Amino acid sequence: AQSVTQLGSHVSVSEGALVLLRCNYSSSVPPYLFWYVQYPNQGLQLLLKYTTGATLVKGINGFEAEFKKSETSFHLTKPSAHMSDAAEYFCAVTQQGGADGLTFGKGTHLIIQP
Amino acid sequence: DAGVIQSPRHEVTEMGQEVTLRCKPISGHNSLFWYRQTMMRGLELLIYFNNNVPIDDSGMPEDRFSAKMPNASFSTLKIQPSEPRDSAVYFCASISLAYTGELFFGEGSRLTVL
Repeated sequence: AQSVTQLGSHVSVSEGALVLLRCNYSSSVPPYLFWYVQYPNQGLQLLLKYTTGATLVKGINGFEAEFKKSETSFHLTKPSAHMSDAAEYFCAVTQQGGADGLTFGKGTHLIIQP
Repeated sequence: DAGVIQSPRHEVTEMGQEVTLRCKPISGHNSLFWYRQTMMRGLELLIYFNNNVPIDDSGMPEDRFSAKMPNASFSTLKIQPSEPRDSAVYFCASISLAYTGELFFGEGSRLTVL
């Protein structure tokens, strides 16, 4: 079985500050890991993914995440928050390349303070 | 290319009525997933199909829920009879198993059962 835990249902940062959204996973085999973003009244959009190879992955909109096997973590970061980053962020895991779907965390609502 | 297309975007119905949600996956994708999103439970996988065949429906909450995929370009999720606790956003997502795990989501169908 696989699972995802996102620490903090709400995270608030000031515009221009570092964004750090935490994700820990549980998987019995090497996982594929994803971060999705959801803007109000929209579907989920892929930010970035880790499958194999380089553990630091870069995504859209200046986000990046690092896969740390020893910590079973895949935290999402962005050096400087922008107002347009305000959204819901979901971490997800799959064990079979997506063939059995993704297991999502509960989500983290990112609030950007002006 | 068109993304995953869902209809209707919004549905308001009364308890006891039948609800049918529709999904057209991305052309060439051979797996399709139905998810339900609520505040309380987050994103839940209801059922998924590979090559039009239902593989796992263990996430379907009750017998009132059923899903079909008669061909590679169309799927339905039906609720009969509907209940207020079915109110949620229902997402359809598709994937090509030739690629590494990324699910492409539709915009969702927001269901309100009065």
